[in-house]
Amino acid sequence: AQSVTQLGSHVSVSEGALVLLRCNYSSSVPPYLFWYVQYPNQGLQLLLKYTTGATLVKGINGFEAEFKKSETSFHLTKPSAHMSDAAEYFCAVSGNNQGGKLIFGQGTELSVKP
Amino acid sequence: EAGVTQFPSHSVIEKGQTVTLRCDPISGHDNLYWYRRVMGKEIKFLLHFVKESKQDESGMPNNRFLAERTGGTYSTLKVQPAELEDSGVYFCASSPGVHRVSETQYFGPGTRLLVL
Repeated sequence: AQSVTQLGSHVSVSEGALVLLRCNYSSSVPPYLFWYVQYPNQGLQLLLKYTTGATLVKGINGFEAEFKKSETSFHLTKPSAHMSDAAEYFCAVSGNNQGGKLIFGQGTELSVKP
Repeated sequence: EAGVTQFPSHSVIEKGQTVTLRCDPISGHDNLYWYRRVMGKEIKFLLHFVKESKQDESGMPNNRFLAERTGGTYSTLKVQPAELEDSGVYFCASSPGVHRVSETQYFGPGTRLLVL
């Protein structure tokens, strides 16, 4: 069975500081990995995804994530936080044995202090 | 192009009542998914339609939940009778088709259901 763990339900950073949101997964098949963001009163929006190929994936709004198979991780980073990055972030996994459904982590609420 | 829409945005009902949630996917998307987030928990898969057929309903909690997708377009999720533990945010998502496991799913804003 697949599962996702996001370390830290709340993360707070100062504006301009590095953002690091952690995601570890378990999967018995090659995983497809996703990061979604939810701004207040909106639906989930895809930030980036890893399917195959290059393990460093760049997404929207300056975010990127690196797939590390040996560490079963897919951490999300952004070099410099902006106030507009305050939102909830979800890591998710799917696999060829799952028919397309996403398995989500618990979510991480990111706060950005001025 | 219109995104995924859900109606209503909020619903407050009493235990034992019936509620029907609606999802309109992006036009032309064959795949439609329902997910739910109970407060404080992770978003969990409920079921998956491919066109009008139920592909996977392994996440449906019990037989009080009934989902339909008439004509392969919009979908409804009915809860009858509603219980307190059904409270949460119900998300709908859609994706185009063929490469399901790697495709981006486009999410609606969710329906916030509160059962009193």
